Amino acid sequence: AQSVSQHNHHVILSEAASLELGCNYSYGGTVNLFWYVQYPGQHLQLLLKYFSGDPLVKGIKGFEAEFIKSKFSFNLRKPSVQWSDTAEYFCAAGGGADGLTFGKGTHLIIQP
Amino acid sequence: SAVISQKPSRDICQRGTSLTIQCQVDSQVTMMFWYRQQPGQSLTLIATANQGSEATYESGFVIDKFPISRPNLTFSTLTVSNMSPEDSSIYLCSVLPGPNEQFFGPGTRLTVL
Repeated sequence: AQSVSQHNHHVILSEAASLELGCNYSYGGTVNLFWYVQYPGQHLQLLLKYFSGDPLVKGIKGFEAEFIKSKFSFNLRKPSVQWSDTAEYFCAAGGGADGLTFGKGTHLIIQP
Repeated sequence: SAVISQKPSRDICQRGTSLTIQCQVDSQVTMMFWYRQQPGQSLTLIATANQGSEATYESGFVIDKFPISRPNLTFSTLTVSNMSPEDSSIYLCSVLPGPNEQFFGPGTRLTVL
């Protein structure tokens, strides 16, 4: 069965700090990978996605993620965070007709 | 993309009652999903609801507890039956308008007393 694990449940950073959120997956066959963000009081929104091709994918708001097949990882990065990045971040795998398997989420707090 | 609305946005219900959550999409989509997000937990897929066929439930979820309707390509309902406090969660619907990217509704926050 597929699974997604996120290493950090709570992260607190200062503005302008660099961010890396870990995500590892266990999934049989071809995997599609996603990062979703949920800002306080808002919907889940897609940050970025990886289906195939260039393993370094860029998303909205300056986020990027790197797919490393050998490590079964899809870590999210941002070189300089802002206070507005405070949110819950979810890594997910799967997609298509099977739906998505989500990690437990990382609650990110950016201190001004 | 797709714009999804859910009703109600939140509710407080008594143990033993049932609540039906509605999901409306602004475009026709074949595949629709229902997820649950329990307090402090991640999202868990409840079932896949495709128009014209019976809903497919994930392990741990059964039709008697979570009956789903999918009468057309823009609408679905999820009923949480015979509720208990353990059913307190956020329930989200999502759609798959393209091959791989899901869009999520705002969720329904349910509290069962």
